[in-house]
Amino acid sequence: GAVVSQHPSWVICKSGTSVKIECRSLDFQATTMFWYRQFPKQSLMLMATSNEGSKATYEQGVEKDKFLINHASLTLSTLTVTSAHPEDSSFYICSASPSGKNTGELFFGEGSRLTVL
Amino acid sequence: AQSVAQPEDQVNVAEGNPLTVKCTYSVSGNPYLFWYVQYPNRGLQFLLKYITGDNLVKGSYGFEAEFNKSQTSFHLKKPSALVSDSALYFCAVRNTGGFKTIFGAGTRLFVKA
Repeated sequence: GAVVSQHPSWVICKSGTSVKIECRSLDFQATTMFWYRQFPKQSLMLMATSNEGSKATYEQGVEKDKFLINHASLTLSTLTVTSAHPEDSSFYICSASPSGKNTGELFFGEGSRLTVL
Repeated sequence: AQSVAQPEDQVNVAEGNPLTVKCTYSVSGNPYLFWYVQYPNRGLQFLLKYITGDNLVKGSYGFEAEFNKSQTSFHLKKPSALVSDSALYFCAVRNTGGFKTIFGAGTRLFVKA
């Protein structure tokens, strides 16, 4: 159980275009999901906390207008990278924990590698 | 503020030998501690966690970790390493009243046949 699906796995886009990444909890409900960014040979940087039915909470230094997060249902959160530029190229990973389990571990999607040309 | 330190960028061990991947943490209150593993171009997989109770925690794939409150450590161990254990390992912490999980920098484990 506790499967998180992330799509797409790989995406290549031109500079200036927008890219949407989906994160779905397949067998549990998640009122909160987390979006991370991982640079090569580096740890995960928490970008934002996605809250179902309300605005996302962004970490300091993360541009909310650049990285749009929508959490429209208890099983789906989306991250849209708007007007992407080469410096936005990275590995983006989402995670979730079943609702009500504050002590629980996180379950991660497989990640989405974005390359902006 | 919460923080996690993984002092080793890389750990090399021969197959069949015991392995240890180190982790120390700083958190206010009682910690929830986790270990995750990441294979290339993949998301993270949960290995084990410490919430309360026995200081020695057993997890997936034969891994275990020992919580040491006085040393604020949560080292990951395995009695006999396998080549397939080669991956990137992350230690993570969350405080009892908190919501965010903070990750260490990661330690790359190489197991040589």
